[in-house]
Amino acid sequence: DAGITQSPRYKITETGRQVTLMCHQTWSHSYMFWYRQDLGHGLRLIYYSAAADITDKGEVPDGYVVSRSKTENFPLTLESATRSQTSVYFCASKQGLGTDTQYFGPGTRLTVL
Amino acid sequence: GEDVEQSLFLSVREGDSSVINCTYTDSSSTYLYWYKQEPGAGLQLLTYIFSNMDMKQDQRLTVLLNKKDKHLSLRIADTQTGDSAIYFCAESLDQTGANNLFFGTGTRLTVIP
Repeated sequence: DAGITQSPRYKITETGRQVTLMCHQTWSHSYMFWYRQDLGHGLRLIYYSAAADITDKGEVPDGYVVSRSKTENFPLTLESATRSQTSVYFCASKQGLGTDTQYFGPGTRLTVL
Repeated sequence: GEDVEQSLFLSVREGDSSVINCTYTDSSSTYLYWYKQEPGAGLQLLTYIFSNMDMKQDQRLTVLLNKKDKHLSLRIADTQTGDSAIYFCAESLDQTGANNLFFGTGTRLTVIP
């Protein structure tokens, strides 16, 4: 299907485990973003990418790793999950700069026990 | 970081107007956005306003911007039950180049039939 998808939609893991959240977009958008949504904080930017092989930190990057070997994919990895990383994670993409709309995926709800 | 603040909850009766308020702190904001998040879904862009504008109207939506007070509002006329959702304001700045968005905490709008 066209659009932006995330997988898995729900994930439960344990402290210390590695977890990878996937994001895929079919528009060939240049920019991709990862946000986390927590009660009382709205959405906060974790990492973003301006193009393949170009990534940069956002507001809350600690504990996360990203890569972008292909334009359409932007996986987010928690190398050693902690309880504080329990959250809803949203991926987004947009074509370019300025007012280009960011299109959001449906989100992944991650619980770290 | 940037602070974007919103009240957490708003309840209105069906058919009334809703006004959702937002304050931000960074005077260099270039664009300000309103996003809607329905239950279990990602964010959907409703509208945006450029910082040199005072008002923008789009069907039932009216955005007002008071740049002096750094205050943004979204008015929804003739509010319907389908408008029940969480509404996020967001600001973007030019400095990052990606026009990353900084989100408020979100306002949960409940429309009472």
